[in-house]
Amino acid sequence: AQTVTQSQPEMSVQEAETVTLSCTYDTSESDYYLFWYKQPPSRQMILVIRQEAYKQQNATENRFSVNFQKAAKSFSLKISDSQLGDAAMYFCAYRLISNFGNEKLTFGTGTRLTIIP
Amino acid sequence: EADIYQTPRYLVIGTGKKITLECSQTMGHDKMYWYQQDPGMELHLIHYSYGVNSTEKGDLSSESTVSRIRTEHFPLTLESARPSHTSQYLCASKGLDREDTGELFFGEGSRLTVL
Repeated sequence: AQTVTQSQPEMSVQEAETVTLSCTYDTSESDYYLFWYKQPPSRQMILVIRQEAYKQQNATENRFSVNFQKAAKSFSLKISDSQLGDAAMYFCAYRLISNFGNEKLTFGTGTRLTIIP
Repeated sequence: EADIYQTPRYLVIGTGKKITLECSQTMGHDKMYWYQQDPGMELHLIHYSYGVNSTEKGDLSSESTVSRIRTEHFPLTLESARPSHTSQYLCASKGLDREDTGELFFGEGSRLTVL
C-alpha cells in the first residue's frame, strides 16, 4: 500500500523568507501524481502544485516550487517570499495515474505553517 | 474557488440522532468523494462514486452511507450518530477523465460534533 509521510507537524517562517516542507512517500509504482494541497483555517482545501512522476523537471507555480527526487521518493515544497496568506495546513498527496476508475488520493498527516509578521 | 458546496458547515447533535451532510457541485463532475479528517490528521477516504447510482466504500470503514441519485448531489447519512463520529467530513469531486489533471476539488467541509 502507498503511504505518504510528512515529518514536520508544524513549521514557521518569517514573512518574506523561504521555507521548505518535506514529504516522502512509499510506492512500488512508476506512474503517479504527487500533489501539495493547502487548507486555510475554515476554508476549502485547494491545490497548490502538481507533479507527474514521469516528468523530470520540477514543477513551479509562481512562488511555489517542488524538489522531486523520484529515486529517493521525496517531494518537498518550497515557498519563496512567504506571505501572511500562506498560513495554512499543507498536505502532501499521492495518486496513481494508471489506476483507472478509483483515483484515490493518499494524504500525509499535514504540516501546519505559521507566517511570522 | 471551486463550485462545490457542503451544508451544514457546523453541526452539534445528540447521540442517536440521524443526520445528513449535503454535498453539491455545479461542475458536472462524475466522480465524487467523501473524506473524513480528524484534527491534525490526514484525510481518509470513506466513500466514493463514479457517477449516478454508483457508490463504493473507501479505505476507512465508516458507519455512514451515501447515495448518488443525481450527478450534482452526493449526500452522506448517519442513521444513529455517536460521539465516535465526531470529525470533519470533506466532500470532493474530480473532472472528466479526458480532462484529468489529477486534481480534486474540495468543499469547505462539515464539522460534526456528537455529544
